[in-house]
Amino acid sequence: DTGVSQDPRHKITKRGQNVTFRCDPISEHNRLYWYRQTLGQGPEFLTYFQNEAQLEKSRLLSDRFSAERPKGSFSTLEIQRTEQGDSAMYLCASSNTNEGSLYGYTFGSGTRLTVV
Amino acid sequence: AQKVTQAQTEISVVEKEDVTLDCVYETRDTTYYLFWYKQPPSGELVFLIRRNSFDEQNEISGRYSWNFQKSTSSFNFTITASQVVDSAVYFCALSPTIYNQGGKLIFGQGTELSVKP
Repeated sequence: DTGVSQDPRHKITKRGQNVTFRCDPISEHNRLYWYRQTLGQGPEFLTYFQNEAQLEKSRLLSDRFSAERPKGSFSTLEIQRTEQGDSAMYLCASSNTNEGSLYGYTFGSGTRLTVV
Repeated sequence: AQKVTQAQTEISVVEKEDVTLDCVYETRDTTYYLFWYKQPPSGELVFLIRRNSFDEQNEISGRYSWNFQKSTSSFNFTITASQVVDSAVYFCALSPTIYNQGGKLIFGQGTELSVKP
């Protein structure tokens, strides 16, 4: 297994455009998380899925944000009508509740979004 | 409310010095997990340790050691004989519930460690 993969690594978009990011978790992991990290800050929780069900959404996740995890495998995070304040690193992580993994999460390398 | 505070924003040391990164947390839960992650310039968060709230034993792994004190809500991280490769941002994190395995993490703001040769 190659770990958690995120695509793209970098995205530059104009304000007002829509963007979509993809995350491929470790295959046997049933939970998938999205976090956002701005410069100089720790990651902030956005939302998470258990299998295909979205179980929790942060107040940070405005109506312009939507996340899906069809079939409980990969996940997409879409931001509509991007704003400059959306510029951040978007991190994906996965974990396996069934094993109670000692290591908790495995994080991907993130997608860095710049809104110009 | 749950919160993690890393009061040290930046630390700079010379190679071979020992360095301690502080972490203080707040939670009303009686059971929880605490973590430390390393974030090198590449951006990927690298797991270092997980500690559950039942276990207050200190842990040592090579040059790394962790001091968990429930009475002061602290989970400090010490690097002994620091090396240039230790330069990174280090995050302390709290998972609010131990029985909900793999729950969301609440991160501190991070401490940027710079180890100079």
